[in-house]
Amino acid sequence: EVQLVQSGAEAKKPGESLIISCQGSGYSFSRYWIGWVRQMPDKGLQWLGIIYPRDSETKYSPSMQGRVTLSADTSTSTAYLQWSSLKASDTALYYCARLRSGYSSSFDLWGLGTLVTVSS
Amino acid sequence: DIVLTQSPGTLSLSPGEGGTLSCRASLPVGSNFLAWYQRKPGQAPRLLIYGTSNRATGIPDRFSGSGSGTDFTLTISSLEPEDFAVYYCQQYGSLPWTFGQGTKVEVK
Repeated sequence: EVQLVQSGAEAKKPGESLIISCQGSGYSFSRYWIGWVRQMPDKGLQWLGIIYPRDSETKYSPSMQGRVTLSADTSTSTAYLQWSSLKASDTALYYCARLRSGYSSSFDLWGLGTLVTVSS
Repeated sequence: DIVLTQSPGTLSLSPGEGGTLSCRASLPVGSNFLAWYQRKPGQAPRLLIYGTSNRATGIPDRFSGSGSGTDFTLTISSLEPEDFAVYYCQQYGSLPWTFGQGTKVEVK
């Protein structure tokens, strides 16, 4: 089955670091861009960035540049989203999603999301 | 950034009725790279339409997309019970990619 499986919910304090994961299966993981999208409480969807697992090329939303780091490990077919210092405003549901065809395309496969809660 | 404004915020319809959802962009969407997604509570978003008017794999033909430039439309010809959900448009023609705020299609 073609799917993206995301890591479980996280509860963190401001200033802590965090890495969440997204494992692809049922397709050639290294050949498809993976993107990250979040939904903050009572807000719409926000695109964070994308990564090409084969060569780790990345493109970030300007609002997220420097705040998060995208990475990928083709040996485990896993993409990662990480923070070095969380803020309360990072509280959101984070989705990973596969790009349908090449760099500039829509997301055709989504994970179920990882809920990140940052609170003191 | 391209701002996408969806209307209406909520659309109340009965099963069997048709509905039209609008997505207006603040600037022209490059190459008409506009997608529509459906999201239900507790489920992952599902791609319905890409490239303005192309149905994704497995999407029934009651869903259709149209438009160009700054004005785009998703039409559902005859609502099935499983179609009641929130619908989002997304442009991927210019970085940063952006989403609309969503239209909720609810049972009338």
